[in-house]
Amino acid sequence: GAGVSQSPRYKVAKRGQDVALRCDPISGHVSLFWYQQALGQGPEFLTYFQNEAQLDKSGLPSDRFFAERPEGSVSTLKIQRTQQEDSAVYLCASRPTTGGEGGYTFGSGTRLTVV
Amino acid sequence: DAKTTQPTSMDCAEGRAANLPCNHSTISGNEYVYWYRQIHSQGPQYIIHGLKNNETNEMASLIITEDRKSSTLILPHATLRDTAVYYCIVRGSNYKLTFGKGTLLTVNP
Repeated sequence: GAGVSQSPRYKVAKRGQDVALRCDPISGHVSLFWYQQALGQGPEFLTYFQNEAQLDKSGLPSDRFFAERPEGSVSTLKIQRTQQEDSAVYLCASRPTTGGEGGYTFGSGTRLTVV
Repeated sequence: DAKTTQPTSMDCAEGRAANLPCNHSTISGNEYVYWYRQIHSQGPQYIIHGLKNNETNEMASLIITEDRKSSTLILPHATLRDTAVYYCIVRGSNYKLTFGKGTLLTVNP
């Protein structure tokens, strides 16, 4: 597709439930990022993939958060045993290369509400 | 990456130029200045970036001071659809984008 696609657009989860958020990056983009955006705040980095390799997961807030990109294209962010503080918009971004100046293309995000 | 400082909010009249300032006094020689904006309920959208020269594209102009310690994003003829949070980000070789809280620009009719 022309842009980064994320699904679902909205997700309501009961506390303790596991959720999986999907990101379809722009075809051929090497780099893929996940960000978390709390209400009224700027996006915060969670993790970074270069093709299928997860090179940086320093932003993942706890071991309940897990991300994968097994074939170097589609990525899934999984949150186990969701807590209320996990409520946020989860953004995915991709870019064609690993370095250089180019901009990042973001998806519209998945809004997760934990009740 | 260097830290940036932006005003919390700004207002602009429709049809007028919107000038959004950003301070980045600790910027290093190899760090770029990027601008993104985020319209309500959407992901951040890339606007423009520059190193030391002024840049212009179909969306905006970026003016970087000679000492590179500050920059201004200019939307030449603001429309109501330009109402958004605008983020100024300094990025070097680090692949991450580090967002602050940005400036909420409100374009008024």
